[in-house]
Amino acid sequence: DAKTTQPTSMDCAEGRAANLPCNHSTISGNEYVYWYRQIHSQGPQYIIHGLKNNETNEMASLIITEDRKSSTLILPHATLRDTAVYYCIVRVARYSTLTFGKGTMLLVSP
Amino acid sequence: DAMVIQNPRYQVTQFGKPVTLSCSQTLNHNVMYWYQQKSSQAPKLLFHYYDKDFNNEADTPDNFQSRRPNTSFCFLDIRSPGLGDAAMYLCATSRGTDSSYEQYFGPGTRLTVT
Repeated sequence: DAKTTQPTSMDCAEGRAANLPCNHSTISGNEYVYWYRQIHSQGPQYIIHGLKNNETNEMASLIITEDRKSSTLILPHATLRDTAVYYCIVRVARYSTLTFGKGTMLLVSP
Repeated sequence: DAMVIQNPRYQVTQFGKPVTLSCSQTLNHNVMYWYQQKSSQAPKLLFHYYDKDFNNEADTPDNFQSRRPNTSFCFLDIRSPGLGDAAMYLCATSRGTDSSYEQYFGPGTRLTVT
């Protein structure tokens, strides 16, 4: 699987957009970009995933660069409940497992 | 609501005493996974089942076993827990093995070994 690089931590003010970057410069054409988050003492929660196109759902937006070497997860209006570790994961097509990296600790403050 | 359920949420066992953790799902997913997450670390996959087919990760210790008697239930057995096995154990499910399918996680069972 392609390796991902994320900042160790980020801060965001409540109500502002949180933009979490992920670098995956060795990604292959058949690998999906997935984002999960883990709130303290809970199981990871699926957020969004994409292959080539930008994606949006009720939780977040995923922006993937045209060369697919990086992506950004956007939480449009961060709340205190969005404080969590955010994992960017690249998954090979037709292979089910998730390999978690260190993730980004996002702290949303009042 | 359809979900992944793990019982108990907290489990204490003694060094060397076998322990079983359980997971059930109402999603009717084909695949069930077990992850181990030690303190301040990322989750690490131990093994998974696709239906009744068991898939072990290469570096999962033999001390860890799993059973899946039916679609809804999956168990993690630790035959002789050591202090190093203290961790959060996470169960997850997915509809299939293709990477277009997301995984849904349970709340985890935190295991303490005394």
